[in-house]
Amino acid sequence: QSALTQPASVSGSPGQSITISCTGASSDVGGYNYVSWYQQHPGKAPKLMIYDVSNRPSGVPDRFSGSKSGNTASLTVSGLQAEDEADYYCGSYTSSNTLVFGGGTKLTVL
Amino acid sequence: QITLKESGPTLVNPTQTLTLTCTLSGFSVTTSGVGVGWVRQPPGKALEWLALIYWYDDKHYSPSLQNRLTITKDTSKNQVVLTMTNVDPVDTATYYCVRGTLQGGFDYWGQGTLVTVSS
Repeated sequence: QSALTQPASVSGSPGQSITISCTGASSDVGGYNYVSWYQQHPGKAPKLMIYDVSNRPSGVPDRFSGSKSGNTASLTVSGLQAEDEADYYCGSYTSSNTLVFGGGTKLTVL
Repeated sequence: QITLKESGPTLVNPTQTLTLTCTLSGFSVTTSGVGVGWVRQPPGKALEWLALIYWYDDKHYSPSLQNRLTITKDTSKNQVVLTMTNVDPVDTATYYCVRGTLQGGFDYWGQGTLVTVSS
């Protein structure tokens, strides 16, 4: 299975909004509403931010939102804050009953 | 409080078998709906899903590694064990134990354990 495609980096100023894309295929992202997003700060374990495309676990700020169109899922971070600077990974369930991650995106808050 | 803690060797010789143990706290490996698995991350690189075992002993593996991986659970110790055979330096990574499902993602992660494969 091939890794999902994410941009290597995105950036934005405090208060602005950014969107990170995650492109797969009809056998993963496009075929199921089972996309998750993870935030990872340097030296730390990843943290689940979004599951089932657009649901937020308890405790995740509503500045984080997820969506999907066709084979591409997106994570939007509104009202950027300094602490949002991190690496972000998407993950998707696949038709082979496995899970595949994206290559990761580094978010820089300018 | 739910926690997962990885344990195992920090250094492994090439061609050897790596065995990692995940000790669970705050939930049981037999709880309905629960899956426990492993994700790794080579230094400076992306996450890679490896394997998952569900409460009813259903097991799933990464297609690219399935012939080298075995995941099992020990209900008496509330642990999940991953073995990887014939390791290579490219297997050098931080290995994370995770709780969740293939569909819903992973809501709890261990702190990770760095395993280096080198002679």
